[in-house]
Amino acid sequence: EIVLTQSPGTLSLSPGERATLSCRASQSVSSNYLAWYQQKPGQAPRLLIYGASSRATGIPDRFSGSGSGTDFTLTISRLEPEDFAVYYCQQYGSSSLTFGGGTKVEIK
Amino acid sequence: QVQLVQSGAEVKKPGASVKVSCKASGYTFTSYYIHWVRQAPGQGLEWMGIINPSGGSTTYAQKFQGRVTMTRDTSTSTVYMELSSLRSEDTAVYYCARSDGDGSDYWGQGTLVTVSS
Repeated sequence: EIVLTQSPGTLSLSPGERATLSCRASQSVSSNYLAWYQQKPGQAPRLLIYGASSRATGIPDRFSGSGSGTDFTLTISRLEPEDFAVYYCQQYGSSSLTFGGGTKVEIK
Repeated sequence: QVQLVQSGAEVKKPGASVKVSCKASGYTFTSYYIHWVRQAPGQGLEWMGIINPSGGSTTYAQKFQGRVTMTRDTSTSTVYMELSSLRSEDTAVYYCARSDGDGSDYWGQGTLVTVSS
């Protein structure tokens, strides 16, 4: 099973600042099958990025994904008030999918 | 519009089983996989398994092998997830989510399953 480690656990930033979230895999993620999700309290997760760098339908271009192999990054270029949430990475390159533990982006 | 509508909250005793449904609409049911993901209170997301509604094939996370069964009914466009031998640690919100193989783009509203004596 591929273990995904997200860092930091919590990111305290102000609106307008840049957020950089990391997701590291215990082994290489096949074909860069890595997705990012946003989750707000009481809501289901929302797909942001798939294939490591492709934005899902309707996702603003301030969200971008990068990386390959074992190291992946989600960047939010300028935080909007609605972006404060928990973010999860997920790998779907193996038959057993796994999620990272999450990064909470909170208002400083 | 695409919708995944799940069944309502359940309260079960330890050792019992629970069966959660996920009714799909707004798209061709057999063209997308359905994943089941759960989230314990205050915790992260945990993948449980996947079913292909086209042929009914399934893959389960090793942690749930032997305790989880995912099935589908193509006549009603509904997928089911049954979890047996429930224990308190199974208390969680259970989600179904649609995927074409590249991330899960639509999710159900979640079903809270509470296991308590």
